[in-house]
Amino acid sequence: DAGVIQSPRHEVTEMGQEVTLRCKPISGHNSLFWYRQTMMRGLELLIYFNNNVPIDDSGMPEDRFSAKMPNASFSTLKIQPSEPRDSAVYFCASSPGLGLYNEQFFGPGTRLTVL
Amino acid sequence: KQEVTQIPAALSVPEGENLVLNCSFTDSAIYNLQWFRQDPGKGLTSLLLIQSSQREQTSGRLNASLDKSSGRSTLYIAASQPGDSATYLCAACHNNNDMRFGAGTRLTVKP
Repeated sequence: DAGVIQSPRHEVTEMGQEVTLRCKPISGHNSLFWYRQTMMRGLELLIYFNNNVPIDDSGMPEDRFSAKMPNASFSTLKIQPSEPRDSAVYFCASSPGLGLYNEQFFGPGTRLTVL
Repeated sequence: KQEVTQIPAALSVPEGENLVLNCSFTDSAIYNLQWFRQDPGKGLTSLLLIQSSQREQTSGRLNASLDKSSGRSTLYIAASQPGDSATYLCAACHNNNDMRFGAGTRLTVKP
């Protein structure tokens, strides 16, 4: 298995632009997680899905952030409009079980820079 | 407030030494505690997951312990190797569906 796949690996954009990050979880996994990592705040859980259904989005910082999982093999995290303080590494992870109770497998991350 | 703290922030040891990384959490109502490894520019790799009902987990040279009553977990690395150099993070999964990560301990094992 190729593991969790994220694209793009790097994204540089200007303030105000829409940014879409993509994730393909490991086949057969039932949960998908989006995280953000910064030097100041460390690693934060933004949102997670069980069987494609959003369960907890309390970590999403603002209404500018939205996440979707239209099917079991694809998820997006969108920021519109983007701001410089959104610059971070965004990780996607998946898990064979449901929720936060099982081992998670992380993707390589997308490094986002908003100028 | 649910906080997870890791001490020390950085650690440098000579190859072959046994070492202990510490993780503390303020809310003992956890479902599990996980230890991860992160290499520079990479994602996290799960090392060990300890359920709240367990006291420890072992994998090769790694041993993680959990003491819920004191709000502490330790990761013991035996016979450290240069390849163990990485940042180690712990994460507490709380019963209210909240997962909190520590800031990590950056480990350097010198040949």
